This record gives sequence, C-alpha cells and structure tokens, in this order.
Amino acid sequence: GESVGLHLPTLSVQEGDNSIINCAYSNSASDYFIWYKQESGKGPQFIIDIRSNMDKRQGQRVTVLLNKTVKHLSLQIAATQPGDSAVYFCAENGLSSGSARQLTFGSGTQLTVLP
Amino acid sequence: ETGVTQSPTHLIKTRGQQVTLRCSSQSGHNTVSWYQQALGQGPQFIFQYYREEENGRGNFPPRFSGLQFPNYSSELNVNALELDDSALYLCASSPPGQSYNEQFFGPGTRLTVL
Repeated sequence: GESVGLHLPTLSVQEGDNSIINCAYSNSASDYFIWYKQESGKGPQFIIDIRSNMDKRQGQRVTVLLNKTVKHLSLQIAATQPGDSAVYFCAENGLSSGSARQLTFGSGTQLTVLP
Repeated sequence: ETGVTQSPTHLIKTRGQQVTLRCSSQSGHNTVSWYQQALGQGPQFIFQYYREEENGRGNFPPRFSGLQFPNYSSELNVNALELDDSALYLCASSPPGQSYNEQFFGPGTRLTVL
C-alpha cells in the first residue's frame, strides 16, 4: 500500500537555530498533506497543512515546502524554542476504502532542542 | 469550546478480554475517526464514523468495531484482545462541510494487554 515516510528518526538543534524536518511520500495522487506535533502523553496537534496546488505555505514560525516532482515535503521551524521539542509527523490526507478521508502518518521525527 | 475528550486515560486488560473506549467529539463536529498508535510509530487509521455509520475503514480485523451516537460521541470496541493490541488509541473529530477538514485529536487512551 501507499506510505508516508520520514528521512530521519531524530533531530537535535540548538535553541534559536532553525529546524528542518523532512518527509517523503510515495502516492503521487496525494493532494493534501498535514504536519502534526505530538508531545509526550498528548494527541497529535495540527501545525500546518498544504494542498498539492501549492509548493509553499507559511504559518507562525513554520513553513511547509512541497516538491511534487520528487514527492517530498519539509517542515521548517524558525528560531526553535524548547517548547518545540516533540515528535513531528507528516501525514497524507487521502481517501479510505469508503468515502472517508483518512490520515496516513509516517513514523515521526523526534526533535530535541538543546539549551 | 470543549475539545475532544477520551475515556478512560489508561486501561489494563488480559488477552481474550473485550474493551470499550469512548470519545466525545469537539462541539459542532459530526465526524469521528479512530487511530491506533503503537509505541514509537505513527497513528494507523482504524475507521471513521459519520452520521452514525461507518464510512471508511483501514486494515483492521472485524474484532475492531465502533459506534457513533446521535450526539456524535463514539465508542471503539475491541474483542478477543491480543498482546499486539497494546497501544495508544486516538480519537479525532472533524467539522461538517468540506473534504479537506482538519482532524482534531483527543489525548488518547493507553491500552495495555497482558
């Protein structure tokens, strides 16, 4: 089946530096992608999304880039803060077996912000 | 506005038992999805409920079943529990309308099967 995968399982950055988390997907028909942040003991929290008709979208301190040619997306976090330490997932929002849109998650990247 | 809530927070069962997990969707949301998240993995889609009917299912056996009630709350039932069912079970709700709707997750129920 189709899958969404991440390049690196862990990433450590110094506080104040920029972070870049990468994700590869295999379904060329994918048309909607979301980045989630999951802190220990909590459910995933929406960060930012992007549709396939865009190649860049910016939020507050975060930017998502989508490269459909190589089926790759990335999450950039500016001026990383200790509160950004968490597991980050990219997810594809696609159709399930029925009419539902389901999220297909990758395995996640653990971001650790160093003081 | 109340977010997605789930109960119980933690649960311990033994193999062969049955379990029911509960989810209250965010106010105004009429679609509920359930996900299973094994330790160190991303969440895996189990199924989705809309208007009290299952309208999508992932690669999970029939012993995983669910319900949605008129108030849009939902239950996940798992029969004949296996050790591999130990995981964090997440519920997510979505508002009515468009297909590209954000799914809002609850904190999850941690199920341990011994």
